[in-house]
Amino acid sequence: QQQVKQSPQSLIVQKGGISIINCAYENTAFDYFPWYQQFPGKGPALLIAIRPDVSEKKEGRFTISFNKSAKQFSLHIMDSQPGDSATYFCAASSPGNQFYFGTGTSLTVIP
Amino acid sequence: DAGITQSPRHKVTETGTPVTLRCHQTENHRYMYWYRQDPGHGLRLIHYSYGVKDTDKGEVSDGYSVSRSKTEDFLLTLESATSSQTSVYFCAISGVEDGYTFGSGTRLTVV
Repeated sequence: QQQVKQSPQSLIVQKGGISIINCAYENTAFDYFPWYQQFPGKGPALLIAIRPDVSEKKEGRFTISFNKSAKQFSLHIMDSQPGDSATYFCAASSPGNQFYFGTGTSLTVIP
Repeated sequence: DAGITQSPRHKVTETGTPVTLRCHQTENHRYMYWYRQDPGHGLRLIHYSYGVKDTDKGEVSDGYSVSRSKTEDFLLTLESATSSQTSVYFCAISGVEDGYTFGSGTRLTVV
């Protein structure tokens, strides 16, 4: 079964808008929640990550919001740009264990 | 994708033939992983290694085997390729506390 559920599958946003991608998990042992960005023909690359001791982490235009009680976390891309068009994966892991990935969100930012 | 290379980048093979994909790292990381990426499924773990000659199965290991005789090399073998194994294969590495670093991928087509 899918350990991490990601939505939406695809997203189209106007330039300058906010892109929001959501993920949910069930395993309360997960303690590391990264987001990966993947451009066509490339491998996924770590974008930003959070641990459950904080509710939000911001790096530039990218913010992770984390809701431990709801077992949900989300990626917000502020002032979205055409260069942000890519596939985004959320993931979760527990100490010493493998990562479980969401199914990915294809983001298109329209100029 | 500094520190991790995959070869070949592209391969077309016939049904029933054996195929070996190679992942090479220069980071001296303990953990290495093989994933396959398919539309609608995201990244699914095939096999992983936590040290030389120490490997274990992931969620989609049927039809695949791996070997790790040196820290820097992790080989994935499709023993008898089938069309269902047409996919993009990614190798990833991680240290004890790090997130994953992915290679650039191998696009495999089984005809």
